[in-house]
Amino acid sequence: QVQLVQSGAEVRKPGASVKVSCKASGYTFSTYYFYWVRQAPGQGLEWIGIINPSGDSANYAQKFQGRVIMTRDTSTSTVYMELSSLRSEDTAVYYCARGFTIFDFDYWGQGTLVTVSS
Amino acid sequence: QTVVTQEPSLTVSPGGTVTLTCASSAGAVTSGYYPNWFQQKPGQAPRTLIYSTSSKHSWTPARFSGSLLGGKAALTLSGVQPEDEAEYYCLVYYGGAAVFGGGTKLTVL
Repeated sequence: QVQLVQSGAEVRKPGASVKVSCKASGYTFSTYYFYWVRQAPGQGLEWIGIINPSGDSANYAQKFQGRVIMTRDTSTSTVYMELSSLRSEDTAVYYCARGFTIFDFDYWGQGTLVTVSS
Repeated sequence: QTVVTQEPSLTVSPGGTVTLTCASSAGAVTSGYYPNWFQQKPGQAPRTLIYSTSSKHSWTPARFSGSLLGGKAALTLSGVQPEDEAEYYCLVYYGGAAVFGGGTKLTVL
């Protein structure tokens, strides 16, 4: 069965970076897209971006351009989202989700809480 | 920046029918915006219910259906169950990027 297992909670100081991982299993890793989505405490969902199956192309929401990098490692079936220059407003649960096309979601990871605090 | 608008809250009786909508500040939502719908319960990750306007996943209960209605994407629940009480989000695509709606809190009462 398809599983997306994310890394554990992180605490960072303002200005630092964080790298969240999402390990996939139960299917052929290299044929699917991955999205990253975040949810601030008590707030709605926010689309961060998408990485293609080969890992050579990613699209980011304008709000995050210049601060986010998405990568993937086929050898470990893991995708990564690194967010830099963290500020308190980046405190949120970050989710990975699989896409079977560039437009269509299916499975989600369990989420990773990132807390930015001095 | 395109804004996607959903009803903040709706209430429905068990066994009833309710339609949630998803409107875009950029104009009418069409199938070319590939609307997706998600359900999220407190403390849980979202779950994808509908993709590409009206397609269901294997786990999507038959009582959920997606459509286009009056220039908006729509999610209809027919024969609502108590376990359908949740937050529902739509997502639409604009030229390589996507935007979530603000969510609809559905209460089953």
